[in-house]
Amino acid sequence: DARVTQTPRHKVTEMGQEVTMRCQPILGHNTVFWYRQTMMQGLELLAYFRNRAPLDDSGMPKDRFSAEMPDATLATLKIQPSEPRDSAVYFCASGPNSNYNEQFFGPGTRLTVL
Amino acid sequence: GQQLNQSPQSMFIQEGEDVSMNCTSSSIFNTWLWYKQEPGEGPVLLIALYKAGELTSNGRLTAQFGITRKDSFLNISASIPSDVGIYFCAGHSWGAQKLVFGQGTRLTINP
Repeated sequence: DARVTQTPRHKVTEMGQEVTMRCQPILGHNTVFWYRQTMMQGLELLAYFRNRAPLDDSGMPKDRFSAEMPDATLATLKIQPSEPRDSAVYFCASGPNSNYNEQFFGPGTRLTVL
Repeated sequence: GQQLNQSPQSMFIQEGEDVSMNCTSSSIFNTWLWYKQEPGEGPVLLIALYKAGELTSNGRLTAQFGITRKDSFLNISASIPSDVGIYFCAGHSWGAQKLVFGQGTRLTINP
């Protein structure tokens, strides 16, 4: 049963600390997306990759967020330094094609910044 | 930018009732997707629609791609407690590199 996996599932940290979230896309999928979900804003697209190359990260605060794909099996989202307003659930999703129209989500990382 | 208006925002129904929700857009989409999200989990793809007028079922769920390409509907028949969750629509248009998501419909079922 192929699934997107994310670690950690929960993270509590203090303001100013670095946070790293990891995602393993479904094997064979060539598109990877990072989303943030909050009650107020719903699902927001932060960044996405195709064949490991970043295509758009306009949804991310550039000064503190960074997203990378070191290899085809790992995507990372880093926040440095973290702030309380970053508290949210962060989802990774992967897709099997370059049409971006089917995306399969991971279980998410619930981040709380105190 | 493109936006999706999903309604209703929330629904409170009795077990066994049918459910209807919809999404409308000011612009045309070529793909409509419906997701369900349960507490503590990510959205799960329920149904994908690729053609105007298409009607697709997945068990008790039926979704339709509107003829105008600007709307889509999801119906759930004979609701059961495990249908509880948040349902999201998402649209994709040719050439776009991302999905546009609705704000979600939160479904609560009274046993």
